[in-house]
Amino acid sequence: DTEVTQTPKHLVMGMTNKKSLKCEQHMGHRAMYWYKQKAKKPPELMFVYSYEKLSINESVPSRFSPECPNSSLLNLHLHALQPEDSALYLCASSQAGQSRTGELFFGEGSRLTVL
Amino acid sequence: AQKVTQAQTEISVVEKEDVTLDCVYETRDTTYYLFWYKQPPSGELVFLIRRNSFDEQNEISGRYSWNFQKSTSSFNFTITASQVVDSAVYFCALSEDVMIKAAGNKLTFGGGTRVLVKP
Repeated sequence: DTEVTQTPKHLVMGMTNKKSLKCEQHMGHRAMYWYKQKAKKPPELMFVYSYEKLSINESVPSRFSPECPNSSLLNLHLHALQPEDSALYLCASSQAGQSRTGELFFGEGSRLTVL
Repeated sequence: AQKVTQAQTEISVVEKEDVTLDCVYETRDTTYYLFWYKQPPSGELVFLIRRNSFDEQNEISGRYSWNFQKSTSSFNFTITASQVVDSAVYFCALSEDVMIKAAGNKLTFGGGTRVLVKP
């Protein structure tokens, strides 16, 4: 079983809705990530939080708003999305700082459909 | 800029055959990490193996083995005696020196290779 838990597993929303994706990890990791994956494509990095601070934003549109309330939780707030935003959204975590070994641990993802 | 290339888009084998997945990478960093991840239909990316750029020793872990060659910038992965449960998409990935970069591990993925193991 994965140690990174994502909810919901499936989400269908209209273009005017506001929704949130949630991610939780209890491995003591201090770096957390959001990736977006379209069908038959590799994951693409969206955001990185390191020690609860946003460290990387890969020029993601403002309709995606990340939030890291504490070291175990990561949210992705969604507003005014477009149908092309439909994808699998993957959360991941890793060690941070000098103790890093590099590998990311992923959740099962939230499959988003925008109508 | 980093780049990872997986030339094979899909491989189909019969159970118990060996499967070798190719991965070629580009990076300007002298210190880097290479990874293989497995993505079954459930969607979760499962970490399989990691190799540091300064350690070219090839290893075997159960039915998995890998061949890391810095001279050719390749990091190939072999599944021995494949099983139906090995059917998945396999991604090779690269990250920069994680001991220096403070912003988090920026992983670059290859395009993935779909492996289909038939009974």
